[in-house]
Amino acid sequence: AQSVTQLGSHVSVSEGALVLLRCNYSSSVPPYLFWYVQYPNQGLQLLLKYTSAATLVKGINGFEAEFKKSETSFHLTKPSAHMSDAAEYFCAVSVKYGNKLVFGAGTILRVKS
Amino acid sequence: EPEVTQTPSHQVTQMGQEVILRCVPISNHLYFYWYRQILGQKVEFLVSFYNNEISEKSEIFDDQFSVERPDGSNFTLKIRSTKLEDSAMYFCASGDAGVYGYTFGSGTRLTVV
Repeated sequence: AQSVTQLGSHVSVSEGALVLLRCNYSSSVPPYLFWYVQYPNQGLQLLLKYTSAATLVKGINGFEAEFKKSETSFHLTKPSAHMSDAAEYFCAVSVKYGNKLVFGAGTILRVKS
Repeated sequence: EPEVTQTPSHQVTQMGQEVILRCVPISNHLYFYWYRQILGQKVEFLVSFYNNEISEKSEIFDDQFSVERPDGSNFTLKIRSTKLEDSAMYFCASGDAGVYGYTFGSGTRLTVV
C-alpha cells in the first residue's frame, strides 16, 4: 500500500524567503504524485502533479516540485514566499490512473512579514 | 474554469438522522470520489465510483454509507444514521479520462450533535 509522510506539520518563513515543504512517499509501483493547497475554509486546489513525465514539475503560483526516485521524495519549493502563500499544503500519492489519492498529514505554511 | 459544486456548504444534524450530501462533478469527468477530513486531521479516502458502480471503498465506508449517481449529473453521499464521529468536512472530487488529476469541491461541513 502507498503512503505519504510530510516532514514538519508547521513551517514558518519570512516574506521573500525560500519555501521548502518536504514530502516522502512509499509505493511499490511507480507513483503519481500531487501537491494540493487548502486555504482556510476552502476546498483543495491542485498546485501541481507528477505523472512520470519530466521530474521537475512546475505548478501554479510559482511553485515547483522535483521527483527524486532514489530519495522517494517530492518536495515542494517556491523561491520567494508571499503573504498569500499562507495555507495548508498536502502531498498525495496514487498508483494507478483513476485510483484513490492517499494524502499526507499536511503542512501549515506561515509567512511572516 | 469548470468546478465541482457541493451542497450544502454546512449541515447540522442530530445523531441518528440520515443526511445526504450532494455533489455536481465536472460534466465530462468519469471518476468520482468522496473524501473526508476530520478537523485537524488528514484527508481520508472514503469511496471511488466509476462506470456507475463503486470501484473502491475504505474501511471507513461501512454499511451506514452509500453513494449514488441518480441522474447522470449529481453524485450523492448518504449517511444512514449519523454518529458524532461522522462530524467532518466531506469533499467530493472528480477526474477525467485525459489530464490526470482530480478536481475537488469546496466541501460540506457536517456537524452531528
